Amino acid sequence: AQSVTQLGSHVSVSEGALVLLRCNYSSSVPPYLFWYVQYPNQGLQLLLKYTTGATLVKGINGFEAEFKKSETSFHLTKPSAHMSDAAEYFCAVSGSSASKIIFGSGTRLSIRP
Amino acid sequence: DTAVSQTPKYLVTQMGNDKSIKCEQNLGHDTMYWYKQDSKKFLKIMFSYNNKELIINETVPNRFSPKSPDKAHLNLHINSLELGDSAVYFCASSPLDGVGQAYTFGSGTRLTVV
Repeated sequence: AQSVTQLGSHVSVSEGALVLLRCNYSSSVPPYLFWYVQYPNQGLQLLLKYTTGATLVKGINGFEAEFKKSETSFHLTKPSAHMSDAAEYFCAVSGSSASKIIFGSGTRLSIRP
Repeated sequence: DTAVSQTPKYLVTQMGNDKSIKCEQNLGHDTMYWYKQDSKKFLKIMFSYNNKELIINETVPNRFSPKSPDKAHLNLHINSLELGDSAVYFCASSPLDGVGQAYTFGSGTRLTVV
């Protein structure tokens, strides 16, 4: 079975500051890992995903995440926050034997001017 | 041209009514899903269909019945609506059997039961 824990339901950073959103996963099989973003009143948009291979994954809008098996983590980072990054971010996991994606509880990212 | 489209976008209805939400994808994907997002933003899978066949049926009241007339459509019918059914319902699709695949989501249907 798979599960995801997102640390911090709300993160606030200043514009131009580093963004770090934390995600830890649990999986009995090699995981597939995802980060999605949800802007207000919209659906979820894929930021990036990890399947196999390179552990540092680059996504859209300047975001990246690093898969660390030893820490069972997949934290999302962006070097410099923009006001447009304000949204809800979801970490998610699926396994090799099931097609369903399990989502974390989400982290709301706020950007201070 | 919207990849995954849901209708209606908003649905307000009284308790006890029956309603349907429609979903269509034009991506040529084989697998489609319904997710429920509650007021705390928590997303939970409800159903999954692969090529018109039900492959995932989570613990959902049997008042909820999905129907897939073809692999491009997955509709959700809800009988005897209850206050607790108020949520945002998202349709999604993925290629192949969905294993290891990212999903493409629709923009959601906000259901309010009064």
